[in-house]
Amino acid sequence: AQSVTQLDSHVSVSEGTPVLLRCNYSSSYSPSLFWYVQHPNKGLQLLLKYTSAATLVKGINGFEAEFKKSETSFHLTKPSAHMSDAAEYFCVVSHLSGNTPLVFGKGTRLSVIA
Amino acid sequence: GAVVSQHPSRVICKSGTSVKIECRSLDFQATTMFWYRQFPKQSLMLMATSNEGSKATYEQGVEKDKFLINHASLTLSTLTVTSAHPEDSSFYICSARVRAGTTDTQYFGPGTRLTVL
Repeated sequence: AQSVTQLDSHVSVSEGTPVLLRCNYSSSYSPSLFWYVQHPNKGLQLLLKYTSAATLVKGINGFEAEFKKSETSFHLTKPSAHMSDAAEYFCVVSHLSGNTPLVFGKGTRLSVIA
Repeated sequence: GAVVSQHPSRVICKSGTSVKIECRSLDFQATTMFWYRQFPKQSLMLMATSNEGSKATYEQGVEKDKFLINHASLTLSTLTVTSAHPEDSSFYICSARVRAGTTDTQYFGPGTRLTVL
């Protein structure tokens, strides 16, 4: 069975400061891990994904995440927050083979203060 | 990246009517599409997995006779909410699965806001 835990339901940062959104996963197999962003009343946009290649994954809009197997973590970071980064972020786990659906975390709402 | 569209983006209907939502993969073929439901300020809840040319697989607790899914082609899946009631009001999101080698990614549509009066 697979599961995802997003450790913070809400994170608030000042514009220009670093962003850290935490995610821990549980998987019986080598997982695929994703971060999606959702702006209000919009669908989900893929930020980045890890699929057993490089452990440090770079995504769009300056975001990156590091897969740490020993810590079962896949935290999302950005060096400097922008106002447009304010949104809901979902950490997601899946398994490559078969028809396993995605398993979503509960989401972390990121607020950016001017 | 791959683009998934949904139509309509927003629909308001009377209680008892049926509503059809379309999900299209615009620049790729998708043998598998997924339908999700999202309540306000909550995460996505998987409703069903739609496979081209075969019956959809519904998650536990999702009524297949109420939420009819048809995946008629490799680029189109439809979700029909039959005899809609106010409790069916929600944000419905589809996704299309792309598998290429060791890469397996889902791309999401922009969502459809359903309001049942």
